[in-house]
Amino acid sequence: NAGVTQTPKFRILKIGQSMTLQCAQDMNHNYMYWYRQDPGMGLKLIYYSVGAGITDKGEVPNGYNVSRSTTEDFPLRLELAAPSQTSVYFCASSYFGLAAHEQFFGPGTRLTVL
Amino acid sequence: KQEVTQIPAALSVPEGENLVLNCSFTDSAIYNLQWFRQDPGKGLTSLLLIQSSQREQTSGRLNASLDKSSGRSTLYIAASQPGDSATYLCAVIRWETSGSRLTFGEGTQLTVNP
Repeated sequence: NAGVTQTPKFRILKIGQSMTLQCAQDMNHNYMYWYRQDPGMGLKLIYYSVGAGITDKGEVPNGYNVSRSTTEDFPLRLELAAPSQTSVYFCASSYFGLAAHEQFFGPGTRLTVL
Repeated sequence: KQEVTQIPAALSVPEGENLVLNCSFTDSAIYNLQWFRQDPGKGLTSLLLIQSSQREQTSGRLNASLDKSSGRSTLYIAASQPGDSATYLCAVIRWETSGSRLTFGEGTQLTVNP
C-alpha cells in the first residue's frame, strides 16, 4: 500500500491564482481530512469527509473548497490564493470501525503565495 | 473548546539522556490521544496511540502515558539518540458522529546532541 499520497510537494502561487491540491489513499478509509500547519504551530482542520459525496467544514475553511467523488480521492481547491494561505497542507485518512480511529498522514504540500 | 498545550516548546539534551515531553488538554472528554513525530520538511509519523481506556502504551524506547482526569499525557524517551531529533506533536481525539476530530498541540522541538 502507498498509504496517503499528496501532490504536488511544493508550489508557488501568485496572489489571486487558483490551484488544486491532490490527495489519495489506497487503504479503503472512509474518513479523510485536510489540515494546514503554519510555522511553529500545530495542525488545524480545514475540511473533512466521512465518505464519498459527504464533506463538512473544519476549523479554518474560509478560502478553500473540497469534493469527494470517490472513496480514494479528496482534492482541496484554493480559489483566489492569498498570502495568508502560505502554509504546509496535510491530508489524512482514517477508518471508521477501528476502535482507535488512528489517522494516517500524507507527506504534505508546501505552498507559498506571493 | 479543546486546547492542547505542549511543554517545553524546545528541548536540547545530550545523547543517552532519558527525557519526558509533556502534553496537557483542557477537556477530559477525549476518545484517544495520539503522539506523532515530524521531521523537518516532512509529514507526520504516528508513534503511539493511547485509547481512553488505557493508561499507557509502549513501543521500543518510547512510553506514553495518559491521565484523563488531570488532562495530561507524557511521552517518555529512553536513552535518547541523535536520530530522535525531531518535533513531537500530541493530538487529542474526540469522536463525533461526523468522525474523529484531532486537536493538536504546537509541538516540542527535540534536539539530541552527539
